[in-house]
Amino acid sequence: DIQMTQFPSSLSASEGDRVTITCRASQGVSSYVNWYQQKPGKAPKVLIYSASTLQSGVPSRFSGSGSGTYFTLTISSLQPEDFATYHCQQSYTAWTFGQGTKVEIK
Amino acid sequence: QVQLVQSGAEVKKPGASVKVSCKASGYTFRNYGISWVRQAPGQGLEWMGWISAHDDDTDYAQNFQGRVTMTTDTSTSTAYMELRSLRSDDTAVYYCARAPYSRGWHDAFDIWGQGTMVTVSS
Repeated sequence: DIQMTQFPSSLSASEGDRVTITCRASQGVSSYVNWYQQKPGKAPKVLIYSASTLQSGVPSRFSGSGSGTYFTLTISSLQPEDFATYHCQQSYTAWTFGQGTKVEIK
Repeated sequence: QVQLVQSGAEVKKPGASVKVSCKASGYTFRNYGISWVRQAPGQGLEWMGWISAHDDDTDYAQNFQGRVTMTTDTSTSTAYMELRSLRSDDTAVYYCARAPYSRGWHDAFDIWGQGTMVTVSS
């Protein structure tokens, strides 16, 4: 099975900050990485698919990059509604998730 | 609108089974698959498996093989996930999500159910 290692597990940031979350795959997954945002008590919502394609309706302050084994999700200017948990997922062979990153208010 | 609506919360004793349903609406059910994902309290997301609503092909995560069965009923556009031999560490929220209809496709899960809390306790 492909393992996804996501870091950091949590971070504290202020409104307006630039935030980057990283995910590393245990083997090459081409560009088949997706990113989700999850708020407490709610189902995850897809933000980015295929490493860098923004899902319809997602603000442009979210961006993704990477290929092979190394991937990043960047929020260019953190907004109050962005405080949430973010999950990476590989979809190269079946699907597996990273452990999640909780973005908290500093 | 496109949505997945799951069945309600369950409380089960260790060793029992649970069957969670996921009813699709707003899209052609047979053109997609359904994946099941669970989340234990305070933990990350764990993919459990996938079923094609097109041909009932399945792919189960290694951690659940032999203990989980996923099925569909195309007449009611409903998917089901049954987990057997429940343990306390199966306590989690179980989600269904819309997935590709065939193996080898790499799509993200674009539609999710609201989640079903399953509590395993003696």
